Amino acid sequence: QVQLVESGGGVVQPGGSLRLSCAASGLTFSNYGMHWVRQAPGKGLEWLAFIRFNENNRYYADSLKGRFTISRDNSKNTLYLEMNSLRAEDTAVYYCTKDQNQYRWTDDAFDIWGQGTMVTVSS
Amino acid sequence: EVVLTQSPGTLSLSPGERATLSCRASQSVSFLAWYQQKPGQSPRLLIFDASSRASGIPDRFSGSGSGADFTLSISRLEPEDFGVYYCQQYGGSRWTFGQGTKVELK
Repeated sequence: QVQLVESGGGVVQPGGSLRLSCAASGLTFSNYGMHWVRQAPGKGLEWLAFIRFNENNRYYADSLKGRFTISRDNSKNTLYLEMNSLRAEDTAVYYCTKDQNQYRWTDDAFDIWGQGTMVTVSS
Repeated sequence: EVVLTQSPGTLSLSPGERATLSCRASQSVSFLAWYQQKPGQSPRLLIFDASSRASGIPDRFSGSGSGADFTLSISRLEPEDFGVYYCQQYGGSRWTFGQGTKVELK
């Protein structure tokens, strides 16, 4: 079955950097747009970034102010999120999730989610 | 940015009762989805394109609405339906979520 497995979370100091990974299996990864979504402790869901199936388009939440970069390696079936200048308010569970439909050129809902990886920004 | 406001914040109901959740957008949206999240779990897609049920979702879940006003209905609550529900709009290359409605056991 389709599976998304995030990794790379941990504790990082304010101002530090971290790279998250999301390994996909059970699907043709290169056919799907992918997203990162986060959830701060006890809070709601926040969409962060999107990368189209062929990497032609990347979109980010305005709140990130250029600190995060989404990328993918279709040969490794892996999605990444590079996070820089981390702040305490970036503390959250980070989920990767996929577009519901293949080869989607318009926006789509998210049908499969990983289990999430926890990022804690603290000195 | 489109802001989604969900109401009520908390819904206290008993199994077998009907649940009606509201999601209002700050402007007309192209597409709307609903997700369910239980404690310690990842979100699960219930409804997409405002009224289409996702794969494997029971028919007691239904979505309706258009423009800026949407509703998720659960016809007869089952014990496994208690949790937090989020609406999400997608379109214009931005995705935003509502703040969530918690459906709790009365």
